[in-house]
Formats: sequence, C-alpha cells, structure tokens
Amino acid sequence: EAGVAQSPRYKIIEKRQSVAFWCNPISGHATLYWYQQILGQGPKLLIQFQNNGVVDDSQLPKDRFSAERLKGVDSTLKIQPAKLEDSAVYLCASSPRLAGELLGSYNEQFFGPGTRLTVL
Amino acid sequence: AQSVTQPDIHITVSEGASLELRCNYSYGATPYLFWYVQSPGQGLQLLLKYFSGDTLVQGIKGFEAEFKRSQSSFNLRKPSVHWSDAAEYFCAVASNTGNQFYFGTGTSLTVIP
Repeated sequence: EAGVAQSPRYKIIEKRQSVAFWCNPISGHATLYWYQQILGQGPKLLIQFQNNGVVDDSQLPKDRFSAERLKGVDSTLKIQPAKLEDSAVYLCASSPRLAGELLGSYNEQFFGPGTRLTVL
Repeated sequence: AQSVTQPDIHITVSEGASLELRCNYSYGATPYLFWYVQSPGQGLQLLLKYFSGDTLVQGIKGFEAEFKRSQSSFNLRKPSVHWSDAAEYFCAVASNTGNQFYFGTGTSLTVIP
C-alpha cells in the first residue's frame, strides 16, 4: 500500500513570497491533516479535512495560510505572503477515521515525509 | 488547557542498555495517548497507543509504555536499545474523536555503540 505522498520535499523562498505544498493521502482515507513542525517543537495541527470539507481550522493563521481539498482526495496548503517564522516542516497525515467517529485501533493517522520550508 | 510535556530534550544511552522516555500530560477528559518516532527526513511513525484497558501497552520494535493516571504520565520503555533506535520521539495526547491532537516537544535519542 502506498503511503502519504508530499511534494516538494524542500523549498527555499524569500519572505513575502508565496508557496504551495501538495499532499496525496492514502487511497480511501477520508480524513486529511496538515501539521506545522517548527524546529525543536512537536507538530502542531493546522487544519483537518473530512473528504472535501473542513472539520477544524482553528489553529490555521487564516490571514496568510489557506488550504483546500477540492475533490476530497489531494490537498494543497498555501502560504501567502510567507514570513520568516513560517520556516518549518509541514507534515500531511491521513486517516480512514470519519469526523465524530471515536479513535480506535483501525483509524490511526499515517504521516507523509513532510516538506521542509526555509524562508529567507 | 491540554498539553504534553517531555522533560528530557536529549538522552544518550549505550547500545544494549535500557531506555525510559518520560511523558506527562494535562488533559481534562479521558486521554488518548500515543508515542511516535521520527527518523531524520522521515514522517512520524506510530510506536504504540493507549485508549483504555490494560495500562501497560506493547508497541512495535520492542517498545512498551505504561499509563499512570495518578501521575498523568505515559512513559516509554525499551529493555535493550539498538543503534537503529536513534531518532526523535514524540508523545501525544488526543481527544476521543481525534479532532484535538497535541504533541510534546520531543526527546532526541542518541545511541552510543
């Protein structure tokens, strides 16, 4: 079974530029997550989708970050404009769990390798 | 507020020695607890999880963890560490629906031959 795919793996941009990350979840997984992992910190959940709808985006800085999952499969996360403090690894994860469904042994999250963003 | 504390930023152990990584959590309801491992350039891999029942849980790669409600702890253990265990380890707590997921700051493990 193919895992969660993310691209690009690395990105370097100047501050105030725009950047987009792409995630392809495991086939059939309804739920998709985007996390931000700043160096020396644990991952922080930014947004959670179920199919093409947003379940929770309370931690997403909406003034500059946006995300979509138009067809309920792939997802893109965009930053516009980028700031120095956005330098981090952006992780995508997917799960077969549906929103409101209790966590169980069959619906864990599977993580992609991440995209490392450096903002200069 | 929900939070996870991993008091040890970095731990060094000799190969073959035992290992214990500490994790303390603060969560208002029944916690769902996880340990993940992250190797350089890799995503997070689930080692084990606790939802309910037996407070000693077994995971992959010979790891185990014990949930102690009275101490709000979920420490990770391994009786004999291998060089390939060198990585970053994260403890996490989640709500029962997984809509809230909080990670600790991680513990970096170095294994000395």
